[in-house]
Amino acid sequence: AQSVSQHNHHVILSEAASLELGCNYSYGGTVNLFWYVQYPGQHLQLLLKYFSGDPLVKGIKGFEAEFIKSKFSFNLRKPSVQWSDTAEYFCAVNAGGSQGNLIFGKGTKLSVKP
Amino acid sequence: GAGVSQTPSNKVTEKGKYVELRCDPISGHTALYWYRQSLGQGPEFLIYFQGTGAADDSGLPNDRFFAVRPEGSVSTLKIQRTERGDSAVYLCASSLAGTADYEQYFGPGTRLTVT
Repeated sequence: AQSVSQHNHHVILSEAASLELGCNYSYGGTVNLFWYVQYPGQHLQLLLKYFSGDPLVKGIKGFEAEFIKSKFSFNLRKPSVQWSDTAEYFCAVNAGGSQGNLIFGKGTKLSVKP
Repeated sequence: GAGVSQTPSNKVTEKGKYVELRCDPISGHTALYWYRQSLGQGPEFLIYFQGTGAADDSGLPNDRFFAVRPEGSVSTLKIQRTERGDSAVYLCASSLAGTADYEQYFGPGTRLTVT
């Protein structure tokens, strides 16, 4: 069965620090990869996605993620975080079939200190 | 425009009771998904509708759970004989179509507490 692992449960950073959140998935076939974000009191929203092509994808608010097929990883990065990035981040996988249902990781809570 | 809405926002029920959770998707979205998020976990897929039909209900945990979407718009998730382990946030998402290249828009969720 497919699964998604997010290594960090809670990350605390100061503003301007660099961010990298780990995500690994287990699935041998073609996958579509996503990062979702949930700001405090708000709905889950899409941050970025990878389907094919350039393995380095850029999303909203300065976030990017790199797909490394050999490592089954899709880590999320941001060079300089802001207090407004405080949120919970979820990595998700879709098995690339005809349906869009997603398998999510447990999430990483990011707290940015001003 | 209006996003995905879910009602009620909170539901407290006693063990053994029946509950219905409603999802209003974005107008024109043919695909609708239900997920369940337990404390400390990510959302877990329950069921996917394409139009009126349940295209994939493999995530429903047991036969106490059932969902309908009779007119291809509003969906209702029904839970019979609720158990304390059913306590979670139930999320609904909709998208223009049912493949992964169409973004899923999530609602605010219904927090179900079974006492």
